[in-house]
Amino acid sequence: GAGVSQSPRYKVAKRGQDVALRCDPISGHVSLFWYQQALGQGPEFLTYFQNEAQLDKSGLPSDRFFAERPEGSVSTLKIQRTQQEDSAVYLCASSRVRTARYYEQYFGPGTRLTVT
Amino acid sequence: EDKVVQSPLSLVVHEGDTVTLNCSYEVTNFRSLLWYKQEKKAPTFLFMLTSSGIEKKSGRLSSILDKKELFSILNITATQTGDSAVYLCVPGSNYKLTFGKGTLLTVNP
Repeated sequence: GAGVSQSPRYKVAKRGQDVALRCDPISGHVSLFWYQQALGQGPEFLTYFQNEAQLDKSGLPSDRFFAERPEGSVSTLKIQRTQQEDSAVYLCASSRVRTARYYEQYFGPGTRLTVT
Repeated sequence: EDKVVQSPLSLVVHEGDTVTLNCSYEVTNFRSLLWYKQEKKAPTFLFMLTSSGIEKKSGRLSSILDKKELFSILNITATQTGDSAVYLCVPGSNYKLTFGKGTLLTVNP
């Protein structure tokens, strides 16, 4: 079956521009996660959805970052007024809930954002 | 604050060698320890361990967890060039995964 997909794969934005990153999780996966991965670092948690409910947004670095999943499937991560420090790979992951593999998260290919 | 320390940070070996990657962790409400492999793309799942002392194996890879000492190791035997990647140790608490910086493994022919 299809895995997690993300678009665009690469995005170059000028400082101050708004960007929107899209994630299509695996069909039937209830949980969806966004991570930010800086060069040479492991992914860092940004936010978590269970269906359409955003249950944890404690990792969002500032109020310029906003995520939504209005119908409990596709999710969008929006970054307003981008700054150079926002340059990173943004990874989306999804997982099933209430099975033995609850914590097994499947990752998309990521969106590499470069802010110039 | 949750913490994951992996060692070594990088490792270069020859094909056929055996390697051991180490991971120590401190997380609140620990539930399970996952290992991921990351090449030039998204992390791919390798193992999930929830109990101490039970070794998980998948082909040439194996892993074991010590919940008392808060430690896990990943072994790779008879390494191949395709094993070259960053290996990420990831303790999970509830839904939240805490990633370490990883160990960069390079396997030369």
